[in-house]
Amino acid sequence: SQTIHQWPATLVQPVGSPLSLECTVEGTSNPNLYWYRQAAGRGLQLLFYSVGIGQISSEVPQNLSASRPQDRQFILSSKKLLLSDSGFYLCAWSALKEKLFFGSGTQLSVL
Amino acid sequence: QQQVKQSPQSLIVQKGGISIINCAYENTAFDYFPWYQQFPGKGPALLIAIRPDVSEKKEGRFTISFNKSAKQFSLHIMDSQPGDSATYFCAASKDDKIIFGKGTRLHILP
Repeated sequence: SQTIHQWPATLVQPVGSPLSLECTVEGTSNPNLYWYRQAAGRGLQLLFYSVGIGQISSEVPQNLSASRPQDRQFILSSKKLLLSDSGFYLCAWSALKEKLFFGSGTQLSVL
Repeated sequence: QQQVKQSPQSLIVQKGGISIINCAYENTAFDYFPWYQQFPGKGPALLIAIRPDVSEKKEGRFTISFNKSAKQFSLHIMDSQPGDSATYFCAASKDDKIIFGKGTRLHILP
């Protein structure tokens, strides 16, 4: 069966520090991978999605970036965090371009 | 540009009542319309979905009504239960891109 792992569950970082969130999927090959951010009152905001290794589509211009170094690994990064980067970050995968399977999320607080 | 507009932002319904959440979309190229349910501290999970070639889909107590000409779709929860209390997101997708509404926080009174 397929599983998605996302870590850490919670993270507190100072403004200006770097960020690296990792997501891995098991039990499937060549999944579509997604990063969403959930902030109060803004719902689920699509940040990045990837249909293959090295292929990243960015939806929102900001100081975040994403990379897909391996087929089932998706990384969200920032060189310098801003206060506005606080939120609940969710990784998701899909095999059929439709049904999304979400990870358990990372609650990021930038102070 | 908000491509999927969802309302209401929050909803309180008595146990046994009908919960109704509405969504409207702008891009006529969308070809798949799912609803996700999210409990606190968890990732969303797919609840029910519909394609634009049908006007209604029912799964147990959950029904999606779809109006292609109006570019609107809604979720109906019949006989709402306290366990249905959660945040509900509508979404629309085309190819690999899936866009969500802002969510509705539903609370069912016991």
